[in-house]
Amino acid sequence: DVKVTQSSRYLVKRTGEKVFLECVQDMDHENMFWYRQDPGLGLRLIYFSYDVKMKEKGDIPEGYSVSREKKERFSLILESASTNQTSMYLCASSLFPRGTESSYEQYFGPGTRLTVT
Amino acid sequence: AQKITQTQPGMFVQEKEAVTLDCTYDTSDQSYGLFWYKQPSSGEMIFLIYQGSYDEQNATEGRYSLNFQKARKSANLVISASQLGDSAMYFCAMREPYTGRRALTFGSGTRLQVQP
Repeated sequence: DVKVTQSSRYLVKRTGEKVFLECVQDMDHENMFWYRQDPGLGLRLIYFSYDVKMKEKGDIPEGYSVSREKKERFSLILESASTNQTSMYLCASSLFPRGTESSYEQYFGPGTRLTVT
Repeated sequence: AQKITQTQPGMFVQEKEAVTLDCTYDTSDQSYGLFWYKQPSSGEMIFLIYQGSYDEQNATEGRYSLNFQKARKSANLVISASQLGDSAMYFCAMREPYTGRRALTFGSGTRLQVQP
């Protein structure tokens, strides 16, 4: 079974703190993603990476950065946490697509519910 | 840009009945894929079913089937014989072109409650 793990299920941080969210997958997937989930908005893409040391901005990258030093690990960094970053954060991974009709289903971690006070 | 629309914020269904969760999409790509995920209250996202744009038959996985109507750009999820454990949030999502970001674009979700 593919397993995607996230370092914390629940996290409480203060405004201005630097926050690290860690994600590890054990299936040798090339692609890794960070999403943010808010009620009524679904999941929105923050950053993604398709190779070690490669990263690309998603739809809402402001206030976030990422790091991928090893294939299995993808970290999300909140440089200076703010209250509007209180949210559920979901990490996902998938294989590199081998064909135009490949499903390359994304496998998700359990999520980290972050509260910034 | 791709867009997924789920117009039902909440749905109720009686146990053992069938239920349809609506999903419409918008894309200019010829090749795309559509997914449904389930998110129980515990928070994890569980993959349910996938439909490729060139698949001629509707996808089925156990009690889940995807009613794919390409011309209408709809990809509704049908759950047959609902169970109490089906109570959850359900998200429709579209795969971005594999030459691009390879990410998923999600709808806002539908909360399904199965009543005994």
